[in-house]
Amino acid sequence: KQEVTQIPAALSVPEGENLVLNCSFTDSAIYNLQWFRQDPGKGLTSLLLIQSSQREQTSGRLNASLDKSSGRSTLYIAASQPGDSATYLCAVRGNTPLVFGKGTRLSVIA
Amino acid sequence: NAGVMQNPRHLVRRRGQEARLRCSPMKGHSHVYWYRQLPEEGLKFMVYLQKENIIDESGMPKERFSAEFPKEGPSILRIQQVVRGDSAAYFCASSPSTGANTGELFFGEGSRLTVL
Repeated sequence: KQEVTQIPAALSVPEGENLVLNCSFTDSAIYNLQWFRQDPGKGLTSLLLIQSSQREQTSGRLNASLDKSSGRSTLYIAASQPGDSATYLCAVRGNTPLVFGKGTRLSVIA
Repeated sequence: NAGVMQNPRHLVRRRGQEARLRCSPMKGHSHVYWYRQLPEEGLKFMVYLQKENIIDESGMPKERFSAEFPKEGPSILRIQQVVRGDSAAYFCASSPSTGANTGELFFGEGSRLTVL
């Protein structure tokens, strides 16, 4: 059974810092990994999708990497801004539909 | 291109009543997924449907919950005889018809059910 863990559960950083969010999964037989952002009381916004054959994806200030063999992914956020404050969710797709971690709650302090 | 549309956004029911949540996938998407998010918990998969077919319902509670995705109209998640423990946010996602296992999932804003 696939399990997804995200560390840390919460993170508070001053504006401008670069930061890394971690995601690990137990079953490396995945099709893809997706990072989402969720604002309080809102839905999920897809940030990046990495296929199992890829090592990383970039979008603006975000960079996600995937090491399938070790069951790890990282989301790197450069030059953080207060508007980046949200919960970031990692999810993996294998033979079952997306399995989610519990998320990292990020606060960027101005 | 409108995103995944869910309604109602908020629903209040008394114990024992029925709740119906609707989801219209993105245009061109024929795969629909329902997830539940309990307070302080992660999103849990409930059911995966294609038009007129349930593909995977391994996450659905065995009783009181059902889902459908008819040929015409939105997907419906139905909860009969609701209990307080059903209070949660219910999210719908859709993906394109091709590359069902590799495609990106797009989520709606969710329906928040409160059971009094």
